[in-house]
Order: sequence, then structure tokens, then C-alpha cells
Amino acid sequence: ETGVTQTPRHLVMGMTNKKSLKCEQHLGHNAMYWYKQSAKKPLELMFVYSLEERVENNSVPSRFSPECPNSSHLFLHLHTLQPEDSALYLCASSQDSWGGYGYTFGSGTRLTVV
Amino acid sequence: GQQLNQSPQSMFIQEGEDVSMNCTSSSIFNTWLWYKQDPGEGPVLLIALYKAGELTSNGRLTAQFGITRKDSFLNISASIPSDVGIYFCAGPTNRDDKIIFGKGTRLHILP
Repeated sequence: ETGVTQTPRHLVMGMTNKKSLKCEQHLGHNAMYWYKQSAKKPLELMFVYSLEERVENNSVPSRFSPECPNSSHLFLHLHTLQPEDSALYLCASSQDSWGGYGYTFGSGTRLTVV
Repeated sequence: GQQLNQSPQSMFIQEGEDVSMNCTSSSIFNTWLWYKQDPGEGPVLLIALYKAGELTSNGRLTAQFGITRKDSFLNISASIPSDVGIYFCAGPTNRDDKIIFGKGTRLHILP
């Protein structure tokens, strides 16, 4: 039990589909993050939310759209993806937006775009 | 921007051996974090280091915060099969405190 739950664990979608990834944490954390993990690359920070407000978007293409309705839930809406978007998408949370205490990660969603 | 370089990229060892890996940067970090990622799971925090020269243990794992603040080391003693996975170093950047990660060291244990 990591405290951060991601669903679904696996997702296969076509390039014209629309899907959403869900992340939920009940740790009382105030900051949540989306990371992308591709083979042989460092984890890439995509989005940061602090107190439900987006504070950073690391130049992510608009086909990825985050939503944070409250401090416990985070979504990543996907549409018109490309095959190179296939990766493991990790959600994480932290007490506040300072990273020094580390983030708690979910198990990830393995996304395959066909 | 700041980057973290990990070496080696992968290691093949026998069960029972000790393991050493390191992480370096061209810029100073004030906090070093070590994570482990098991296959099919997200990374899990192993050790956090906050002071130059600090040596911290977590069971068979020991990590050190380099004196120059530009490197950190992780050692695993008497490796066991469940040590298999990817070990990442990480730290909050000086610019915005968001965590960046190295590319990881993949540990394999030979039967």
C-alpha cells in the first residue's frame, strides 16, 4: 500500500481515442505531480499542482491535459496521442511543494498508443 | 539546467556481493535522495540526505552525501534477490525545488 493509487494500471489506446488516467492519495499531501517515464530517459516532470492550483507545466504538448479537482485527486486527460507517448505515467504526491522530503509515487499506468 | 549522472548504468552481481553506485552533478545539491523502483512499480524512497558528509543507513543500505555537495553514493551490503531493480538518485533543484532524477542504475543478480 503506497498511499498513492493510480488507475488503470495498463491502457492501450488508439491515436484518435480520448482517455483519462486517475490518481488518488489519502496521505493529506498538498502537492501532486505527473511524471513520464520512458526507457533510458530520466523521469520527466510533466505537471505540478500545489493546493489544487497548477504551478508548473514543463512545456508538455496540449494533447495532455491535467485536472486537479481537489487535493486528493489528480487526472491526466489524453487525446490524439502519438506512438512516442507510450510510456509509464507516474503520479506522485508530497506534503508541500518542496521536494526535499521526497515524493510518494503510485505504481503507474503503463500506456501504449497504437 | 541541473542534471544528475549515475554510474554504472547497470550491474550484474552474484547474490551476497556488496554493491556500490554513485551519482554526480556539475552543480551543488543541498539534498540527495535515493529511490528504488521494482519492476512494474513506482519508485520508493530509500534514503534522504540533508548535510554534506552525512552518512545514513537503512538496513543493508548506506548512502553518503559527498563533501563537495556534487555527489552521493549508495552501497548495498550482502545483496539478496529482492535487491533487483532500478536505483535512482534525485534531488530538488536550486531553481524551483522540484525533484529531478538521474537515469538510474539497474541492478541484476545472477542466479
